[in-house]
Amino acid sequence: KQEVTQIPAALSVPEGENLVLNCSFTDSAIYNLQWFRQDPGKGLTSLLLIQSSQREQTSGRLNASLDKSSGRSTLYIAASQPGDSATYLCADRSGGNKLVFGAGTILRVKS
Amino acid sequence: NAGVTQTPKFQVLKTGQSMTLQCAQDMNHEYMSWYRQDPGMGLRLIHYSVGAGITDQGEVPNGYNVSRSTTEDFPLRLLSAAPSQTSVYFCASSLRRQTSNQPQHFGDGTRLSIL
Repeated sequence: KQEVTQIPAALSVPEGENLVLNCSFTDSAIYNLQWFRQDPGKGLTSLLLIQSSQREQTSGRLNASLDKSSGRSTLYIAASQPGDSATYLCADRSGGNKLVFGAGTILRVKS
Repeated sequence: NAGVTQTPKFQVLKTGQSMTLQCAQDMNHEYMSWYRQDPGMGLRLIHYSVGAGITDQGEVPNGYNVSRSTTEDFPLRLLSAAPSQTSVYFCASSLRRQTSNQPQHFGDGTRLSIL
């Protein structure tokens, strides 16, 4: 059974810093991977979806990579802003639409 | 474009009561699902549906029922509420039934407390 771990559980950084959030998988035979953002009291917003044929995806200041050989994914946020404060979740999409989620990283960007 | 709409947003129940959490999407998505989110844990799949009239169990189905009579609606029923079902419930949808290369869309959640 796939298990997804996100490290760190919480992170606090000053505004402007570049940061990396980590996601690892017990079953490295991962197919697709999706990163989400969750604001307090809200649902999940899809950020990036990395398909099996890709190694990374970029959207604005966000870059997500997937290393299948090590069973790891990273989400890189450049020049962080207070508006980036949220919980970030990664999910294994190898089961198609049946996602397996990590517990998330709570990010706080201080102004 | 409303996306995925969940009602109610908040609910408090007493142990043993039953209720239905509503989920509707207006994107003509084939696939719909229900997850629960508990503190310190990732979202866990309760039930899912690949189309009208078709439902199946996820990882944690016990204590919940679902039906899919239309493409748009996917209600989740708690038969006899228990304190262990206190959680935040999310409904999600995706365009096609068996694909992992399309993003899933989530509702804003229903926060449920069982006393």
